[in-house]
This record gives sequence, C-alpha cells and structure tokens, in this order.
Amino acid sequence: EIVLTQSPGTLSLSPGERATLSCRASQSVSSSYLAWYQQKPGQAPRLLIYGASSRATGIPDRFSGSGSGTDFTLTISRLEPEDFAVYYCQQYGSSLITFGQGTRLESK
Amino acid sequence: EVQLVESGGGLVQPGGSLRLSCAAFGFTFSNYAMNWVRQAPGKGLEWVSVISGSDNSTYYADSVKGRFTISRDNSKNTLYLQMNSLRDEDTAVYYCAKDRWYFDLWGRGTLVTVSS
Repeated sequence: EIVLTQSPGTLSLSPGERATLSCRASQSVSSSYLAWYQQKPGQAPRLLIYGASSRATGIPDRFSGSGSGTDFTLTISRLEPEDFAVYYCQQYGSSLITFGQGTRLESK
Repeated sequence: EVQLVESGGGLVQPGGSLRLSCAAFGFTFSNYAMNWVRQAPGKGLEWVSVISGSDNSTYYADSVKGRFTISRDNSKNTLYLQMNSLRDEDTAVYYCAKDRWYFDLWGRGTLVTVSS
C-alpha cells in the first residue's frame, strides 16, 4: 500500500496570498497518477487536479498541480475566500487507492 | 442533471448488516467504474471498494475485505454496497464516486452509525 503524507497539517494564510500544499508518497507513484480534492464542511469532496497537473473541468486556473515520483505539490496562486477548506491528495497508481490525511487551509 | 444519490444508511448494532444504494443520473452508468469512499466523523477519506463498468471486476480495501460486497445493476443505474459483520470503526459517511481512478463526481453521502 502506498502511504501519502500531507504537509503541513494546517496552513494559516490570508486572502490574496499564495498557498503551497505538499503530498509525499512512501513509494513512487506510477505515471504521476495523483489527484487533489477540496472538501468544505458538510460537503462531498470536489476533484481539482488529476494526473498530477491536469485541472478538472471548471476548476479556476489559480489552482495548479506539479510533481512526480514521490513528491507532489498543489499551489493556489492567490487565495480567494472560498478556497479555505481541507485538501486531500489521492494516488491511483496501484489497484489499492489511498488518500493523504489532509491539509486544512484556514483563514488567518 | 448529472448526480449521484446515496441511500440506505442508518444505525446498526455491531455485527449487523446494512445495504447501501447509490442511484446515478445524467450519464451512461454502465460505461463507468464506480467506487465507495468513506469518511469517519472528523477524519479523512478512505477508499473502500471499486467495481468496473463492464466485467464487474472488484477490488476492496483490506479493512473491509471479506465483510463488504460491492455490486451494481446497470439496468437500474444503481450501485450497491452490502456491509456485513459491521464494527464500530465502520461508522462513517459513505460516498459513492464515479470513475476508476480519480473521482470526478461524488454523491452527498449517507451516514452509517455502528453502535449498541
């Protein structure tokens, strides 16, 4: 099983600032099969990024993903008020899909 | 409208059984693999199981293997999760999610509470 570790656990920033979220895998994720999701309280997760760097339909271009192998990053270039939420990475490089434990992005 | 709607959650005693359903609308259900993903209260996401769209091949997380069974009825555009031998740690919101590898459509979830 591939274990994903996200950091930091909580990130406190202000609207307009840049957010950088990290996801590290315990072994290489094949073909960059990594996705990112956003979840707000009481809601289902929403797909943001797949294939490590491809934005899902309707996702604003302030969200970008990068990385390969074992190190991946989600960047939000300029935070909007609606971006404060919990973010999860997910790998699908093996038949057993796993998620990271999440990064909470909170407003300072 | 493209959507997934889960149902069947509720309160069940440890050792009991429950069957969840997920109705799909607005897309060709049989063309897609479908998953169950759960989230314990205040915790992160845990993938549970997947079933393919065509040959009904299935995979399970180790935590539910042998206790849960995923199935689908393409004529009814519905996904199922039969949960047996339920444990306290199975308490969670259960989401169904579309597609094999990454999940571009999620339902709103159904809460399963395992407690005596």
